[in-house]
Amino acid sequence: DQQVKQNSPSLSVQEGRISILNCDYTNSMFDYFLWYKKYPAEGPTFLISISSIKDKNEDGRFTVFLNKSAKHLSLHIVPSQPGDSAVYFCAAGSAGSARQLTFGSGTQLTVLP
Amino acid sequence: SAVISQKPSRDICQRGTSLTIQCQVDSQVTMMFWYRQQPGQSLTLIATANQGSEATYESGFVIDKFPISRPNLTFSTLTVSNMSPEDSSIYLCSATNPGQGGYTFGSGTRLTVV
Repeated sequence: DQQVKQNSPSLSVQEGRISILNCDYTNSMFDYFLWYKKYPAEGPTFLISISSIKDKNEDGRFTVFLNKSAKHLSLHIVPSQPGDSAVYFCAAGSAGSARQLTFGSGTQLTVLP
Repeated sequence: SAVISQKPSRDICQRGTSLTIQCQVDSQVTMMFWYRQQPGQSLTLIATANQGSEATYESGFVIDKFPISRPNLTFSTLTVSNMSPEDSSIYLCSATNPGQGGYTFGSGTRLTVV
């Protein structure tokens, strides 16, 4: 049972355009959400997070949107840069689960120069 | 945020042997976790490493196969025991302090069992 789903395994975007990565979840107990970026042969790097009391969090070129009623979150990258090419994982957790994270399957983003 | 040194970065091991993976954090952290990422799949939580007590394992993972130590607040090890080719995967440790934001990950250990 996949509690966190990233339905797009890959996404290609032109440099300078917006990248939108989507994530859906099923567990209504999740109360915080995170996005990670992962390059080959490296561990995941934390990008941005959002708690369930907010619907938007922005950090530079990265914005995460949370739609609790739809159990959906998205990561927007504007403008996209070739260095953003990586696998992006969304992850979710709840205070009641000892801060364990459940990860989506990842989306490979390729930003074309 | 904390920085984690994980080693080895990769290893090729014979079937039936065991490998111990180490994670050293540059500061004290409340919680440490171990994950596995099998080829083409997402990260799956193996266990929560508890300081001074037995780890808490997720469904499908057992202590005999994946013994974990956490002797203090900056260090943890994961052992993959009696390895088979199905254990070939990337293993990652992670650490966090509640209330301080995101989680930090080690760089991962790419294990190949032959």
